[in-house]
Amino acid sequence: NAGVTQTPKFQVLKTGQSMTLQCAQDMNHEYMSWYRQDPGMGLRLIHYSVGAGITDQGEVPNGYNVSRSTTEDFPLRLLSAAPSQTSVYFCASQIEGDTEAFFGQGTRLTVV
Amino acid sequence: GDSVTQMEGPVTLSEEAFLTINCTYTATGYPSLFWYVQYPGEGLQLLLKATKADDKGSNKGFEATYRKETTSFHLEKGSVQVSDSAVYFCYLTSGGSYIPTFGRGTSLIVHP
Repeated sequence: NAGVTQTPKFQVLKTGQSMTLQCAQDMNHEYMSWYRQDPGMGLRLIHYSVGAGITDQGEVPNGYNVSRSTTEDFPLRLLSAAPSQTSVYFCASQIEGDTEAFFGQGTRLTVV
Repeated sequence: GDSVTQMEGPVTLSEEAFLTINCTYTATGYPSLFWYVQYPGEGLQLLLKATKADDKGSNKGFEATYRKETTSFHLEKGSVQVSDSAVYFCYLTSGGSYIPTFGRGTSLIVHP
């Protein structure tokens, strides 16, 4: 099993550009979530999904969109990149809401 | 909402010293508690977990006990090694109201 796969691993964007960070899992997990990691701030929840067709906002959703058309995929879209979105992004999945979260290897995004 | 408070780092220890990293939480329901570890340049790995009060999670010499009366889940290790140098995150998630929550992380530096 591949587990949770994130692509790309690294990305540089110019301010105002848009892009999609991909996240896919092959464990048939219902719950998926996106976090950003910034120095001294830990991991902050951006958006999450408790099943296909269901998404909700986390702590820091502004500037990001998500959709969940299949159980496997949970892409994160940056609509108009800003330097404040420079961060490391992690995707995670869980079987149930109170079980272990499995993480992808992360995407390091730099917005210039 | 739910929250997790971790002791601030960095924690600097000599090899074979005793380690405690404090974690306290607030939650409306009955959360599951986890410790994750992030080695330099890597993603997050599950270190240990506890799903109900008085449970003790353990792995690789690390232990933590789910204390409902003090709302704590402190991480301990009797004798740290240089290879334990990493960032440790306390994590809370509930099946009822699913808002997974991380602490800010505690950096551990172990010197030979």
